[in-house]
Amino acid sequence: DGGITQSPKYLFRKEGQNVTLSCEQNLNHDAMYWYRQDPGQGLRLIYYSQIVNDFQKGDIAEGYSVSREKKESFPLTVTSAQKNPTAFYLCASSIVPGEIYGYTFGSGTRLTVV
Amino acid sequence: AQSVAQPEDQVNVAEGNPLTVKCTYSVSGNPYLFWYVQYPNRGLQFLLKYITGDNLVKGSYGFEAEFNKSQTSFHLKKPSALVSDSALYFCAVRDPLGNNRLAFGKGNQVVVIP
Repeated sequence: DGGITQSPKYLFRKEGQNVTLSCEQNLNHDAMYWYRQDPGQGLRLIYYSQIVNDFQKGDIAEGYSVSREKKESFPLTVTSAQKNPTAFYLCASSIVPGEIYGYTFGSGTRLTVV
Repeated sequence: AQSVAQPEDQVNVAEGNPLTVKCTYSVSGNPYLFWYVQYPNRGLQFLLKYITGDNLVKGSYGFEAEFNKSQTSFHLKKPSALVSDSALYFCAVRDPLGNNRLAFGKGNQVVVIP
């Protein structure tokens, strides 16, 4: 079955540590997105990519980095510069133009700072 | 300016009663509108969309939504709520000022009381 796989489901980070969240899709979608979800704040866009080897900052990119070396993969690194990384992270993908077909979401990764 | 507003934080409804989750939008051009549902610790699942055509859109799990251009609204409805409908519901709209990506509302928690 086609879909988006996020791993791990739960992740714990120590202070000052970089961690990488994985997002893989086998839907042959061109565009991929990373969102951060905090209680009561909805979804906030971190980064998005509409084509391989290209990505754009979203609304809250500071302290995060991404790469898009393959169409299927869009990993997100939470760096030590992100001072409040505890949140639920969602990856999504879409055919371009995604505004007509909508997005497909992964199951999310819950990141906790310990 | 916010593209989509979900004015209520939480909607409580008794099982078997009609359920309505409100969404209003503010975008230029043709509004492409979506509803998604999120269960705890999961990704968002697509419910339905309005792109063009009939103002009443039918979607998954017995949900429907009515597009009202004069009121710039796209309220989600279900004639008879189930306990299993308890979840977080997100409205989304194409954002012409955001490179045509989807802009999400903050979400509405629906609680169906047995």
